Amino acid sequence: QKEVEQDPGPLSVPEGAIVSLNCTYSNSAFQYFMWYRQYSRKGPELLMYTYSSGNKEDGRFTAQVDKSSKYISLFIRDSQPSDSATYLCAMSARTGRRALTFGSGTRLQVQP
Amino acid sequence: SAVISQKPSRDICQRGTSLTIQCQVDSQVTMMFWYRQQPGQSLTLIATANQGSEATYESGFVIDKFPISRPNLTFSTLTVSNMSPEDSSIYLCSVVGGGGARYEQYFGPGTRLTVT
Repeated sequence: QKEVEQDPGPLSVPEGAIVSLNCTYSNSAFQYFMWYRQYSRKGPELLMYTYSSGNKEDGRFTAQVDKSSKYISLFIRDSQPSDSATYLCAMSARTGRRALTFGSGTRLQVQP
Repeated sequence: SAVISQKPSRDICQRGTSLTIQCQVDSQVTMMFWYRQQPGQSLTLIATANQGSEATYESGFVIDKFPISRPNLTFSTLTVSNMSPEDSSIYLCSVVGGGGARYEQYFGPGTRLTVT
């Protein structure tokens, strides 16, 4: 079983829809949770960063972490065609190994 | 956030040759990593680049194949040695912090390598 599980999609939604992306994980040492957006042939771009549990909002994006369930989510409101990309969840521990463990990525297509 | 550049951005290499990839950061950072992203796949950690000492490699990656240097807190190189077509991937460097951030991890634009 992978440490981080993410539905690979593809996920296709109409413009303006609310998008929900999710990951589950098994390692209770993970404390830092990040969401990256990756366009084709580009490096990952950090969208949201959350430490431990709770919610964080930035514009149209909301990240949620539920450590008790080992479940994280990214919500995109009023989705735009420019949001079409692969979304990667990633996480790391607070001490020791600080490199990220990634989910497999979810490919999102927002239809105009 | 830290600004990270990589050279070259892409290359096509012949089997059996080596390629050195450079990673430059615009501010001093304590942690630097090298990742590989194979076609259609997610990111896999190759190694942690340690300043002033040998890199720490993940299972499945060895120093002879992927030698890494990190002479200071803003620069690192990854060499892909004795290349085969299976090494065709995007290679990415990543840093923790830099530019005022403490825990966030940022990625460079990547180096797209094709081995023929």
